[in-house]
Amino acid sequence: EAQVTQNPRYLITVTGKKLTVTCSQNMNHEYMSWYRQDPGLGLRQIYYSMNVEVTDKGDVPEGYKVSRKEKRNFPLILESPSPNQTSLYFCASSLYPGYEQYFGPGTRLTVT
Amino acid sequence: KQEVTQIPAALSVPEGENLVLNCSFTDSAIYNLQWFRQDPGKGLTSLLLIQSSQREQTSGRLNASLDKSSGRSTLYIAASQPGDSATYLCAASDLYNQGGKLIFGQGTELSVKP
Repeated sequence: EAQVTQNPRYLITVTGKKLTVTCSQNMNHEYMSWYRQDPGLGLRQIYYSMNVEVTDKGDVPEGYKVSRKEKRNFPLILESPSPNQTSLYFCASSLYPGYEQYFGPGTRLTVT
Repeated sequence: KQEVTQIPAALSVPEGENLVLNCSFTDSAIYNLQWFRQDPGKGLTSLLLIQSSQREQTSGRLNASLDKSSGRSTLYIAASQPGDSATYLCAASDLYNQGGKLIFGQGTELSVKP
């Protein structure tokens, strides 16, 4: 089944404890991105990747890192999480930039 | 800067009714427009994508239209069912801005009553 998977789905952590949210797609998509969804602010892009080893900042990149070592994986790294990063995170992918985007099931992160 | 607006924020209709969800955008230079459905606590499911050169797309009971000149898109749902209850999001894509990032509206929360 063609899909975007994320792990973990739920995570509660403490301020400053490094964490990684994994994202994987099995559709051989070139383009991948991360969004966060917050009440009243909607969905905003954090980082995106046009291809392997090519990543760039979205609208709200502060406090996040990403890497794209393989085409299928695009992990989101929070090196020192803070409470304002409490949010619902989505990974998305598309065959090429501008094509139909497919979203993962989301990761609900709480930072205390 | 592109801004996407969806009105109304919430809509409640009886089962069987045909309905229209509205989406407006400020910059007509979009590459495409995509409609999604989001169920509570779930991810986004892509419903329809309309390229900038197209006027409409259809999938089953859903029909989406795009009018770039007026900065509007509509999602028409025919013969609504309780299973259609969800939040519907539209998103505009600009290929030349941040790799075609999606700029989302705030969504319309639809409730279809049996």
